[in-house]
Amino acid sequence: EAGVTQSPTHLIKTRGQQATLRCSPISGHTSVYWYQQALGLGLQFLLWYDEGEERNRGNFPPRFSGRQFPNYSSELNVNALELEDSALYLCASSLFNWETQYFGPGTRLLVL
Amino acid sequence: DQQVKQNSPSLSVQEGRISILNCDYTNSMFDYFLWYKKYPAEGPTFLISISSIKDKNEDGRFTVFLNKSAKHLSLHIVPSQPGDSAVYFCAASATGGGADGLTFGKGTHLIIQP
Repeated sequence: EAGVTQSPTHLIKTRGQQATLRCSPISGHTSVYWYQQALGLGLQFLLWYDEGEERNRGNFPPRFSGRQFPNYSSELNVNALELEDSALYLCASSLFNWETQYFGPGTRLLVL
Repeated sequence: DQQVKQNSPSLSVQEGRISILNCDYTNSMFDYFLWYKKYPAEGPTFLISISSIKDKNEDGRFTVFLNKSAKHLSLHIVPSQPGDSAVYFCAASATGGGADGLTFGKGTHLIIQP
């Protein structure tokens, strides 16, 4: 069974640009979560999507947004990039929202 | 305010011995706890979980213990193997698997020495 996949693996942007990160969940999983791991910090919850809707978000500004498509894949958009947005962005999926989350390999975003 | 704390940034253990990783939490609403293992350049891999209705859960070499009164959990790995060298994250949720998102500790780097 294929795991959670993310693309691209690395992304380099400059301040003020927009970044788009993509995630495909494990087949059959309907919930997708996004986390940020900045240098020196633990993983921090960003967003939760389920059945195409944003269900919850962590303590991040509105320039972090995304969507979930009918096939349950998801996209994270970060607008007006700032230097401190440089981090590893991890996507996770679960069968239902109360089930264990399984993580993808992440996208490393570097903002110059 | 860190709600999940892993106070040991690193831990060195000899191969074949027991590794004990500790985690403390402050939010009494947490009712589900998980341990993940992470290698460099990879995403976290789920290891084992425990619900607050239990105080112990075993899966092969991995055992998680939960002490609700002390708000403390620990992961025991017996026997430790070289492939266990990784960063271990403790995570907690107040809504089962994490509908509100998992709250993670900062991780403990486990080094298994030959």
